[in-house]
Amino acid sequence: EPEVTQTPSHQVTQMGQEVILRCVPISNHLYFYWYRQILGQKVEFLVSFYNNEISEKSEIFDDQFSVERPDGSNFTLKIRSTKLEDSAMYFCASSPHIGPNYGYTFGSGTRLTVV
Amino acid sequence: AQSVSQHNHHVILSEAASLELGCNYSYGGTVNLFWYVQYPGQHLQLLLKYFSGDPLVKGIKGFEAEFIKSKFSFNLRKPSVQWSDTAEYFCAVNPHGGSQGNLIFGKGTKLSVKP
Repeated sequence: EPEVTQTPSHQVTQMGQEVILRCVPISNHLYFYWYRQILGQKVEFLVSFYNNEISEKSEIFDDQFSVERPDGSNFTLKIRSTKLEDSAMYFCASSPHIGPNYGYTFGSGTRLTVV
Repeated sequence: AQSVSQHNHHVILSEAASLELGCNYSYGGTVNLFWYVQYPGQHLQLLLKYFSGDPLVKGIKGFEAEFIKSKFSFNLRKPSVQWSDTAEYFCAVNPHGGSQGNLIFGKGTKLSVKP
C-alpha cells in the first residue's frame, strides 16, 4: 500500500534556528497538506498546497512558515526561526483530489523539539 | 468558530467490553465526518467516513459510527474491543462537504484495552 514518508522521525533544534521538515507524498497525488499536534492538544491544519502554490492556510501558518515542492517528489515545511511553542508533532498528508473524502493519506509524523 | 469535541480523554476497557466514543461538532452546513486511529508510533489511519446516505457507517476492524444530524454527533462504536484496539482515536470534520482540503480534528481519545 502506498505510503506518505516523513523524515526525520524526530528532530531537536535550538530556539531561533531554521528547520526543514521533509515529506514524500504518494506519487500520483496532487494535493499536499501539513498538520501539527502540540502535545496534549488537537491535530491542527496548517496549510494545503496544490499546483505549486498554497491553496489554503490557517491562522497558525504565519510568516515564520513556508512550504515548497522543490522537486517532483518532496514536499517540505520550513520554520524560519523556531520558537519553543513550535515543539509539536508535524504530520504531512497527500490526496489525489481536493479534500479528505478519497485517498487522503497521512505520514507517521516528525516530532520537533525546540530547546 | 468550527470545532470538534471528543468527550473522553482516556478510556480504559477490558477485552470484550463494548466501546462508544463520543464526538460532537459545531458547524451548521454540509459536513463530511471521519474517524481516524493512530496506533503507537504509526500514522493516522482512516477507520470510517460519512458523506451522505445511511447515517450508520461501518468501517474497518468492526468499528461503526452513527451520524445524528439533530445532535451534531458522530459517535464511534465497537461491540467487543480487543487488546489490539489500544490506540488513540480522532474524530474529524471537513466542514465544506469536501470542497476544501482541511480537516478539523478533535483532541483525540486514548483507548487502553486490558487483556
